[in-house]
This record gives sequence, C-alpha cells and structure tokens, in this order.
Amino acid sequence: NAGVTQTPKFQVLKTGQSMTLQCAQDMNHNSMYWYRQDPGMGLRLIYYSASEGTTDKGEVPNGYNVSRLNKREFSLRLESAAPSQTSVYFCASLLASYNEQFFGPGTRLTVL
Amino acid sequence: GNSVTQMEGPVTLSEEAFLTINCTYTATGYPSLFWYVQYPGEGLQLLLKATKADDKGSNKGFEATYRKETTSFHLEKGSVQVSDSAVYFCALSFFGNEKLTFGTGTRLTIIP
Repeated sequence: NAGVTQTPKFQVLKTGQSMTLQCAQDMNHNSMYWYRQDPGMGLRLIYYSASEGTTDKGEVPNGYNVSRLNKREFSLRLESAAPSQTSVYFCASLLASYNEQFFGPGTRLTVL
Repeated sequence: GNSVTQMEGPVTLSEEAFLTINCTYTATGYPSLFWYVQYPGEGLQLLLKATKADDKGSNKGFEATYRKETTSFHLEKGSVQVSDSAVYFCALSFFGNEKLTFGTGTRLTIIP
C-alpha cells in the first residue's frame, strides 16, 4: 500500500515548455486534489476531482489543466510554463468517511 | 470567503518547552478544523482534527480545542521534542465540500 505517489520529484523547465505531473493513489478514494505550496502562502487548491470523470477549478487554476484518467490517477498539466509557476506541487486524495486528505510527497518545479 | 490566520513564524523553542501555535478562522457556518504537519522533505499528514464546537482533537501529545466563541483552534503541546521540528498548518473544510482552506503555515524548530 503506497498511498499517494507523485512523479517526478524534481523538475526544471524553461519558460514556454510543457509538462505533466503524475499522481496516483491506491486507497480507492473518490476525490483527488492538486495544490501548490508557495512560501508565506500555505497551500492553495489548483483543481480537484470529486469522482472519476469530473474535475473542477479551485482557487488558482489559471495556466493548468487536469485529467482524471481513472479512479487511481489524476494528472496536472502545464501547457506553457511560466516562472510564476515555480512552486512545490502536492497531490492529495480524500478518505471521505473520516474527512481526511492524504498527501503525496510533492514535486518541486522550477521554471527558468 | 473562508480564511485561516496562523501565528507568524518561525518559532524556535528548547526541548521540553511548552508550545502554542495560534490559529483563528473566518467562515460562514460551522467548519471542521484541522492541524496538518509537514516534516522536512515530506508531504502533509493529518495531526488532529475537530468537527464541532468544544471538541478537542489530540494526537502525539498535541491538542487543540474548537472554540466557536473565539473562532480559534490553537495547537498546544506540553513538552516538545526535537522530532517535533516541522511546519504546522491549520486548515478548515465543510462537510459535503471537502476542499481545504489552509493557513500560511508555522515553521517550528526545536533545539536540544
């Protein structure tokens, strides 16, 4: 039981490049989330998915797209990276019965 | 909108000192309240939670009481250890809408 896994752990991009951050959970949770963590700002919700086949915008969705490929996987795509997207990205899934979110280890992204 | 305000950090304490990290919230209605902890290089993990007024959450020697009258959820521990060094996040969510709203985080360092 690996919990929530994220790949890659680190990534450096040049402005304008694209990439996809991968997230998977093996806990059979319905809801999944993408957050970004910036110094002095806590975690902010980018997108979330309440169930397979549905996605919704969070607080800071601009510049991102998501795909809920199946119940396990929820990916985050940057189509044209900008320096303002330099951040640490966390994926999470929800144990609904306890209202507890489980977080992955994060992806540290730098956009030059 | 909903918001969470946390005590500014960083906080540095000696081992066995008493810890308080303040957290207050603004929300319409009665949210569930959480403390998450992030150890160096890791994702967030739930430390404790409370779902209604006067509830006390506790775990690993940490405690927090849901105070509706002061809209607060302060984190306390009677005797901290070096292993408690981490970043602590206060957060809220509402039943049926499990998106978390986070505070900015408080970095705690315990020195031997």
